[in-house]
Amino acid sequence: SQQGEEDPQALSIQEGENATMNCSYKTSINNLQWYRQNSGRGLVHLILIRSNEREKHSGRLRVTLDTSKKSSSLLITASRAADTASYFCATESPSNYKLTFGKGTLLTVNP
Amino acid sequence: GAVVSQHPSWVICKSGTSVKIECRSLDFQATTMFWYRQFPKQSLMLMATSNEGSKATYEQGVEKDKFLINHASLTLSTLTVTSAHPEDSSFYICSARDLSGSAPDTQYFGPGTRLTVL
Repeated sequence: SQQGEEDPQALSIQEGENATMNCSYKTSINNLQWYRQNSGRGLVHLILIRSNEREKHSGRLRVTLDTSKKSSSLLITASRAADTASYFCATESPSNYKLTFGKGTLLTVNP
Repeated sequence: GAVVSQHPSWVICKSGTSVKIECRSLDFQATTMFWYRQFPKQSLMLMATSNEGSKATYEQGVEKDKFLINHASLTLSTLTVTSAHPEDSSFYICSARDLSGSAPDTQYFGPGTRLTVL
């Protein structure tokens, strides 16, 4: 089954607005990680939240995790044009540390 | 944070040839590295787990004889695409965890290698 399904698949906002992306998963996890990928480039690690954590902040990023609903959200506040990228959530298996990626959300921030 | 590099960043080859991609952990040792493949506008799919000093473990549906993985040292894993065909054209990305670093849970990704098979 597909882990880490993000929604929306695409999101277009104006600079300065907040962007919220959601991720759902189906099996138990060790942690959930969010990554950013600019077109044709590698992945940049944004934030990791462990299964026993509920919320985490890093700069303009805020991540929440609800293990009862098997879902997570990534909030980017005061977005900038440079935030334009694809964002992926990835869940780490507690048994073998493998990451399973969702399909991603393409965020476009218009100047 | 920890740095993972890949070489080459892109490669174009003829159908039937073999291509080797290197993944290096630059400032830490990695007993385990992971290889992913990403098709255009799609997500990353785990291909295999590379284990230093032992055989790689492959995900279901990934041909181990086609995608040869060697993890001969604690800082280097290689992926060789043997007898490449156009359908192997993809973006190949590796990752590793720095278990002795400040964020041992984090997987750090290389910049990726774009393979185009003509």
